[in-house]
Amino acid sequence: GAVVSQHPSWVICKSGTSVKIECRSLDFQATTMFWYRQFPKQSLMLMATSNEGSKATYEQGVEKDKFLINHASLTLSTLTVTSAHPEDSSFYICSAQRTGDYNEQFFGPGTRLTVL
Amino acid sequence: AQSVTQPDIHITVSEGASLELRCNYSYGATPYLFWYVQSPGQGLQLLLKYFSGDTLVQGIKGFEAEFKRSQSSFNLRKPSVHWSDAAEYFCAGASGGFKTIFGAGTRLFVKA
Repeated sequence: GAVVSQHPSWVICKSGTSVKIECRSLDFQATTMFWYRQFPKQSLMLMATSNEGSKATYEQGVEKDKFLINHASLTLSTLTVTSAHPEDSSFYICSAQRTGDYNEQFFGPGTRLTVL
Repeated sequence: AQSVTQPDIHITVSEGASLELRCNYSYGATPYLFWYVQSPGQGLQLLLKYFSGDTLVQGIKGFEAEFKRSQSSFNLRKPSVHWSDAAEYFCAGASGGFKTIFGAGTRLFVKA
């Protein structure tokens, strides 16, 4: 149990386009999901906390208008990278917390975004 | 401030040798502690976790970790490393519903 999926697993897009990444909890409900960004050979950097039915909470330095997060249901959160540029190329990982369990996260397999 | 520190950026061990990866934490109260492994281009896989109770925690793939309150440490160990263990390892802590804090990671290289 506690499986989290991400789609797509990789995406290549042109500069200026928008890309949507989906994060789904497959066998549990997740009131809270998290979005991380990971640069090569670095640790995970928390971008934002996504709560079902409310606005996401962004970490300092993360542009909320560039990284749009929607958490419309208890099993789905989406991250949209708007007007993507090459510097947005990165590995994006989501995680989900079971509703009622506030200290353990289950991670998705990640999405590799390459912006040309 | 809360923090999780992994002092070793990378470690190289011979196949069959024992392994210990270090992790230190700084929290007001004992946090929940985790070890994750990440293979290149993959997401994170949970190896083990410590919430409370027995300070020696057994995980998957033959890994174990020991929580030592006096040293604020949660070191990961394996008695005999296999070549497939080569990966990035992350220690993480969480407390009181606050966000999880990750260490910088330790890259494990395994030589034949």
